[in-house]
Parts: sequence; C-alpha cells; structure tokens
Amino acid sequence: QSVLTQPPSASGTPGQRVTISCSGSSSNIGRNTVVWYQQLPGTAPKLLIYNTDQRPSGVPDRFSGSKSGTSGSLAISGLQSEDEADYYCAAWDDSLKGFWVFGGGTKLTVL
Amino acid sequence: QVQLRQSGPGLVKPSQTLSLTCAISGDSVSSNSATWNWVRQSPSRGLEWLGRTYYRSKWYQHYAVSVKSRVTINPDTSKNQFSLQLNSVTPEDTAVYYCARGPGSFAYWGQGILVTVSS
Repeated sequence: QSVLTQPPSASGTPGQRVTISCSGSSSNIGRNTVVWYQQLPGTAPKLLIYNTDQRPSGVPDRFSGSKSGTSGSLAISGLQSEDEADYYCAAWDDSLKGFWVFGGGTKLTVL
Repeated sequence: QVQLRQSGPGLVKPSQTLSLTCAISGDSVSSNSATWNWVRQSPSRGLEWLGRTYYRSKWYQHYAVSVKSRVTINPDTSKNQFSLQLNSVTPEDTAVYYCARGPGSFAYWGQGILVTVSS
C-alpha cells in the first residue's frame, strides 16, 4: 500500500480537462510541497510538477498543480493523446527521520 | 545536462547481495547542492524510495526504514558515481531499480535496471 492515495485510473477525450487527486497526511503533503511525475511504458518517471505548482522547463503549461490541506491535485487541460501515461504524486514525509513517499499511480487513458 | 547511467547484474540469487552503480555526467557526486538517490518500482510495492547520499562539508547517508538494516549507499568520488548495495535479498526485492538526482524532486533519473531475485 502506497502512503499517498491516488485513483487507479482516469480518462478523458481530446481537448478535455482532467484532474488527478493525491491524498496524504499532515506529515507529508500537509507540511511539504507536492511533486508529480509522468511515466510512459518502459521509461523512467519524468518530472512534471515540483514545489506543488512549478513546471520544469519544457513541460507544457497545460499541466498544473495545486494543494489544499493534505491533498494535492494535478490538472491537465487540452488533453492530447500523448498525455496517455501513468502519473505519480510524491512528497517528503517528516515522520521518523524523513523519507520520500509516493502515490500508487493513476493510469490516464485518452479516449 | 545531467545524465545518470546505471550498471549492474539483472539477476541475483536469494540471500545474496544486490549491487548497482550509477555513473554521473554533467554534475559531481560531491556537489554541495545535490542529493543522490535510489528508488525502486515493482507492481506489488509501487515506487519506493530506498535512500540517498549527499555531501554538505561531509558525507551523509539516509535510508528508508523499510530497508535500513540491509541497505548501503556510497559515493565514489574517484569515478564520480554512487552505488547501492542491498543485502539478504528475497524475491520481494525483485523490481526495477532507478538512481535519481535530488534535492526537492527528482529531475534526473537513470535508465532503470530490472533486477530479478531468483535461484
């Protein structure tokens, strides 16, 4: 069981807006920023969002992140077929001596 | 541009030690701002952070509680790389292992190595 909770699947049609949620606790998302990764089959995860709402250079502004309390959210607007992938959230957890925690991943299907 | 290149065996016998190396280009393992991490991914456990090493005037290692008794992550400054050793492996340790550069988030990842624990 992953520490952060994500829906296992999400879907949308081209052009639609899709959101993926990530539920945590006071020791991780409640205290720290949220990170989002995109993973295509057979490849390493790719950084999509850092510091909750910041996009690395090269990531389209169709991708946006936010946080409220102990939950984070990834929004993808203007959905494209190339967005079909697995999406993972992550956050630093301050319990014990601290460690990175991840969500179980959300498989996004573009219909 | 930072690049991480992983190497190591893809098959390890139960009870033996898993050893992987991550060679760094475009950055230094001795950087005062980076952290050097190992993450694994399996269908049963998902993404799991194993630990990190980093230099801040001296070397630090920091491990996940789930593997702390079995894991060692060490830098090799002569070769600009860092390594992962996981002792007493079982089939539960079968996973794709990644190295990644921090801190704060992992912007750079190695290519991943599937390590299977089987006799």
